[in-house]
Amino acid sequence: NAGVTQTPKFRVLKTGQSMTLLCAQDMNHEYMYWYRQDPGMGLRLIHYSVGEGTTAKGEVPDGYNVSRLKKQNFLLGLESAAPSQTSVYFCASVLTGGAKNIQYFGAGTRLSVL
Amino acid sequence: KNEVEQSPQNLTAQEGEFITINCSYSVGISALHWLQQHPGGGIVSLFMLSSGKKKHGRLIATINIQEKHSSLHITASHPRDSAVYICAVDMYSGGGADGLTFGKGTHLIIQP
Repeated sequence: NAGVTQTPKFRVLKTGQSMTLLCAQDMNHEYMYWYRQDPGMGLRLIHYSVGEGTTAKGEVPDGYNVSRLKKQNFLLGLESAAPSQTSVYFCASVLTGGAKNIQYFGAGTRLSVL
Repeated sequence: KNEVEQSPQNLTAQEGEFITINCSYSVGISALHWLQQHPGGGIVSLFMLSSGKKKHGRLIATINIQEKHSSLHITASHPRDSAVYICAVDMYSGGGADGLTFGKGTHLIIQP
């Protein structure tokens, strides 16, 4: 049981390049989230999904797209990376969401955009 | 939007000291979470509270719903407790789970 696995762990991009971050969970969780963590700020929600085939925008969705084609995977895409997207990205999952469930986090992806 | 404020932002203490980290929020919530993040590491959930008090080992978390305030206490602190402690609140009210709202974290260093 690996929990929540993020790939890659590190990546350096040039401005304008694209990439996809993968989040995989093996706990049969319904809800999944992508957050970004920047110095001096709390984690902020980018996009989330409450089930296979569904996604929704969070607090800071601009410049990102997501897909949840399979229940266990939640992909975060950057179509044209910008230096402002330099950050540490965390994926999290919850069994059913809401006040009764603990969030399980991945180890993070450190992304630098030059 | 809920505002989550933590204090202090930074805390350095000696091994064995009793540690208190505070969290306040502006709007009513369904639950409050305390999370731990070690340097360069992932984020681990320590507690989820909707009322009262919880204890796990040397860690104690309390919440006062009326005052919109929570505290995380560490007894007999140890250098391995050095980490960033993050308070987060859950606004879920039945219609969906749109993630947590996070404080900026408290950077704790325990010196031997």
